[in-house]
Amino acid sequence: AQSVTQLDSQVPVFEEAPVELRCNYSSSVSVYLFWYVQYPNQGLQLLLKYLSGSTLVKGINGFEAEFNKSQTSFHLRKPSVHISDTAEYFCAVSEPGNQFYFGTGTSLTVIP
Amino acid sequence: EAGVVQSPRYKIIEKKQPVAFWCNPISGHNTLYWYLQNLGQGPELLIRYENEEAVDDSQLPKDRFSAERLKGVDSTLKIQPAELGDSAVYLCASSSRTASSYNEQFFGPGTRLTVL
Repeated sequence: AQSVTQLDSQVPVFEEAPVELRCNYSSSVSVYLFWYVQYPNQGLQLLLKYLSGSTLVKGINGFEAEFNKSQTSFHLRKPSVHISDTAEYFCAVSEPGNQFYFGTGTSLTVIP
Repeated sequence: EAGVVQSPRYKIIEKKQPVAFWCNPISGHNTLYWYLQNLGQGPELLIRYENEEAVDDSQLPKDRFSAERLKGVDSTLKIQPAELGDSAVYLCASSSRTASSYNEQFFGPGTRLTVL
């Protein structure tokens, strides 16, 4: 089974500053990688996904992530955060056809 | 297009009582998932249905948890009897089977269960 590590449980950042949320996964031949966002009292919404091809993936709300196979990482970045980005962010991994494995989440707080 | 619907949104019960959660997936989605999300944790799969068949229930605690999806559309997850440790958010998700090996999952808002 896959394991997903999100090293930072909480990340405070000032508005308009850049942010990086880290995600590492256990090694496998091929994986699919995802970032989800969860706003308070809501379900998970897909931000972006990596299935194949270009290692730099762009998602909604100005987020992007880079797949690094050698480091088994899939870090999420945004060059300038907004107050509305305050939420819980989950990294997830699956092998083709298999179930999803989620990380423990990173709580992003944007400070005005 | 309506999203995944779950009810109730919140439920408070006393331990040893039964409880049931309901999920209506996105129309046309044949795969349905129930996840458990503990506080400060990511979702963990409890059971996955392909139409009305439970194809992965290895993580479902079968001594007290049960689920059904009788007509391959909506689904019910039941706990009987509930324990204090069952307090969590129960998420439902659905996806549409395609030729691709990846099927995007769409999540409902969840049911927050509190067991007193």
